[in-house]
Amino acid sequence: DGGITQSPKYLFRKEGQNVTLSCEQNLNHDAMYWYRQDPGQGLRLIYYSQIVNDFQKGDIAEGYSVSREKKESFPLTVTSAQKNPTAFYLCASTADREGTGELFFGEGSRLTVL
Amino acid sequence: GNSVTQMEGPVTLSEEAFLTINCTYTATGYPSLFWYVQYPGEGLQLLLKATKADDKGSNKGFEATYRKETTSFHLEKGSVQVSDSAVYFCARNSGNTGKLIFGQGTTLQVKP
Repeated sequence: DGGITQSPKYLFRKEGQNVTLSCEQNLNHDAMYWYRQDPGQGLRLIYYSQIVNDFQKGDIAEGYSVSREKKESFPLTVTSAQKNPTAFYLCASTADREGTGELFFGEGSRLTVL
Repeated sequence: GNSVTQMEGPVTLSEEAFLTINCTYTATGYPSLFWYVQYPGEGLQLLLKATKADDKGSNKGFEATYRKETTSFHLEKGSVQVSDSAVYFCARNSGNTGKLIFGQGTTLQVKP
């Protein structure tokens, strides 16, 4: 079945550690996105990539980094510079880069900093 | 600015009640509009969409009409079920990058 797979589903991290969240899609979509979800704030865009080897900052990119070396993969690294990393992270992709189509979401990764 | 505003939740209804969740947007031009639903512990799923003024999106008994005069895209359902309990997000697209701007989400709880 086609879809987006995020891993791990739950992750605990000590302060000062970097952590990488995986996002893989087999939908053959060009565009991929990382959103952060906090209670009462909706979803905020961290980074997005419209094509392999290219990506752009979203609204809250500070403290995060990404890479897009393969079409199907868009990992997100939460660095120690991110001041409040505890959140639910959602990866999405779309075949329609111009925004009239549907975003397909993974099931999310919940990061807790201890 | 460019934003999406939803009515505050949580919304608590009895089964078979009528549902309205308000959503308004600000934008230059006429964006595409979406409603997404998030069930507990899951990612978001597209519920319905409208890409131009006066379009009506519909799915699973839910409807929303793109009203450019009032810059609104309110979600309605005539008779809710317990299984509709979820968080509902209104969204609009942003430019030609495929990214979406989301409202803050409205939690719906339907009691039997």
